[in-house]
Amino acid sequence: KAGVTQTPRYLIKTRGQQVTLSCSPISGHRSVSWYQQTPGQGLQFLFEYFSETQRNKGNFPGRFSGRQFSNSRSEMNVSTLELGDSALYLCASSPGQGGQETQYFGPGTRLLVL
Amino acid sequence: GDSVTQMEGPVTLSEEAFLTINCTYTATGYPSLFWYVQYPGEGLQLLLKATKADDKGSNKGFEATYRKETTSFHLEKGSVQVSDSAVYFCALSDEDTGFQKLVFGTGTRLLVSP
Repeated sequence: KAGVTQTPRYLIKTRGQQVTLSCSPISGHRSVSWYQQTPGQGLQFLFEYFSETQRNKGNFPGRFSGRQFSNSRSEMNVSTLELGDSALYLCASSPGQGGQETQYFGPGTRLLVL
Repeated sequence: GDSVTQMEGPVTLSEEAFLTINCTYTATGYPSLFWYVQYPGEGLQLLLKATKADDKGSNKGFEATYRKETTSFHLEKGSVQVSDSAVYFCALSDEDTGFQKLVFGTGTRLLVSP
């Protein structure tokens, strides 16, 4: 099975712009979660989508949003970028059937905000 | 809320040395516990997991035992290799926070020299 894929792998933006990142889960997985990784804050949960609905949400401002499509692919959007949004954004997928599942991560999108 | 505490790094070892990376957790429910590994420039890879007390997860010579009485999940390997150099993250998920939401420790960098 193909793993989780994320595009683009690298991105450079300037303050005030917006950005959209994409994630394709493992085939058959219906849950997609997003995480932000920074040197200062470590790995933090952004949100999780299942069947096109946001099911769980972390403590991030409303500038961070996401969506999921009927084929389980997911996008996250960050509007009005700030320097502090520079990070590695990781996507993870799991079957989403409930209970104790394992999440499988993609390679990440590295975002640099100038 | 739930939290994970890992030992500070870096941990510096010579090849074939014994490795222990300590991990303790706080959780209100009965979490699943995970170790993920991140190689330079890559996303997270699942190393091993345990879903209930006294379970032992193992993979590629690494082991960790779920100790409910000490709320710990220490990672061990009998003989490390240079190729084990990476950052190791301990994580948990449980029903209270949502099984698709992983709570991570800060990560421990392992450096193995020949």
